[in-house]
Amino acid sequence: QSALTQPASVSGSPGQSITMSCTGTSSDVGNYNYVSWYQQHPGKAPKLMIYEVSNRPSGVPDRFSGSKSGNTASLTISGLQAEDEADYYCGSYSSTSTSRFGGGTKLTVL
Amino acid sequence: QVQLQESGPGLVKPSGTLSLTCAVSGGSISSSNWWNWVRQPPGKGLEWIGEIYHSGSTTYNPSLKSRVTISLDKSKNQFSLNLNSVTAADTAMYYCAREVVSDAFDIWGQGTMVTVSS
Repeated sequence: QSALTQPASVSGSPGQSITMSCTGTSSDVGNYNYVSWYQQHPGKAPKLMIYEVSNRPSGVPDRFSGSKSGNTASLTISGLQAEDEADYYCGSYSSTSTSRFGGGTKLTVL
Repeated sequence: QVQLQESGPGLVKPSGTLSLTCAVSGGSISSSNWWNWVRQPPGKGLEWIGEIYHSGSTTYNPSLKSRVTISLDKSKNQFSLNLNSVTAADTAMYYCAREVVSDAFDIWGQGTMVTVSS
């Protein structure tokens, strides 16, 4: 099964907003509102940041928001902070009842 | 607070079987969750391996399905991963994770590194 497509890297300065994308197909992102986003710092396990396209788990700052249009989901981080620098992965449910992840986006805070 | 802890050999020989266990603490493996395995080769992205429900139902990544078995042991409150016929391409950090709702993994173990080498 193919991975979801994410840009390799994005960057922004402290205080700015950035948006990263996650492109799938009509068999996954486009057909289900079961898109999630994970933050992973070096040497750490992934952390759930967004589920069901736009919902934040308890404890995740409201600077993090998610959306979806067609086959593409997006994660926006506003008011960038140094600690936001990490790898971000999207995930989606698929029509074959399986899960898949994107290749990951490295966020650099300049 | 549910916690997950992976355990198993850190080194497996090529063509052998990789066997890992994920111990669940602070909660029951019989709860209404799917229990998952995810791996991450060094410097690469996440790959979903498969999942198991407390009923024993399983779903696997089609690319690994022929080599993967996930099982659970309710008496020990843990679930396991077996991956056979391993090669160097199976070298990765292996994570277990709980799927809470809608295909979202809210709790992860710390991960265990497995190297396939002779």
